[in-house]
Amino acid sequence: DTGVSQNPRHKITKRGQNVTFRCDPISEHNRLYWYRQTLGQGPEFLTYFQNEAQLEKSRLLSDRFSAERPKGSFSTLEIQRTEQGDSAMYLCASSPREWGSGNTIYFGEGSWLTVV
Amino acid sequence: TQLLEQSPQFLSIQEGENLTVYCNSSSVFSSLQWYRQEPGEGPVLLVTVVTGGEVKKLKRLTFQFGDARKDSSLHITAAQPGDTGLYLCAGVDGSSNTGKLIFGQGTTLQVKP
Repeated sequence: DTGVSQNPRHKITKRGQNVTFRCDPISEHNRLYWYRQTLGQGPEFLTYFQNEAQLEKSRLLSDRFSAERPKGSFSTLEIQRTEQGDSAMYLCASSPREWGSGNTIYFGEGSWLTVV
Repeated sequence: TQLLEQSPQFLSIQEGENLTVYCNSSSVFSSLQWYRQEPGEGPVLLVTVVTGGEVKKLKRLTFQFGDARKDSSLHITAAQPGDTGLYLCAGVDGSSNTGKLIFGQGTTLQVKP
C-alpha cells in the first residue's frame, strides 16, 4: 500500500495556461475526492467520484475546472485558462468504505499550483 | 449548511506548555476527525471520535467529543517543537451521501524551543 499519490507536486504556470493534476488513489479504493486548500485554511470540497462516476460537484468547481476518473482508478483534475485566484494546493483523497460506516479518508500530499 | 469553527486560529507557545484547540458547530455530526498537516504536505489523520462524550488519547494528545456531538477539543500536554503544524477538525457532511468532509479553518500551532 503506497498511499494516495499526486503529481506533479508543484506547478508554476502563467495566467491563461491550462494545467492538469493526476491522482492515483490507494488500490481498490472506490471513493475519490478532490479538495482545494489555500494557505492557512482548511480544505474545501471540490468533487467526488464513486468508481468512474462523478456524483457530486461543488459550486467552487467553475466551468474552467473538469475532473475525470475514466476507469475508476486514477483521476485527473484539469484547470483551463488559469487565473491567479486558482493558486492553491489541490488535494486528492480516497476511501474504501461505504458512506456511514466510520468513513476514513486518506489524503495525498497535494499538488501546489502557483499562477503568475 | 453545516459549519465547523475552530479556535484559536493561531497559537504560538513555548516548549513544555499545554494548549487546547476547540472545534465547534451548531450541527450534530456523526463523527469528527482531527488531522495534522505540515507545510506542503497533505493532512494526516490523528483520530476519529464517534460517540458523544468520548475521550481518546494519543500519547500527549487528548481528544474529546462533546456529549451532543456538536463540538470537540484537542488538548496537547507539554508541547514540543515537533507538534508545530496546522491542526484541522473535520466532520462528515450529513446533507450528502458521499462521505465528503467539512473542515474547520484550522489552527496553526507554533511551538518554540
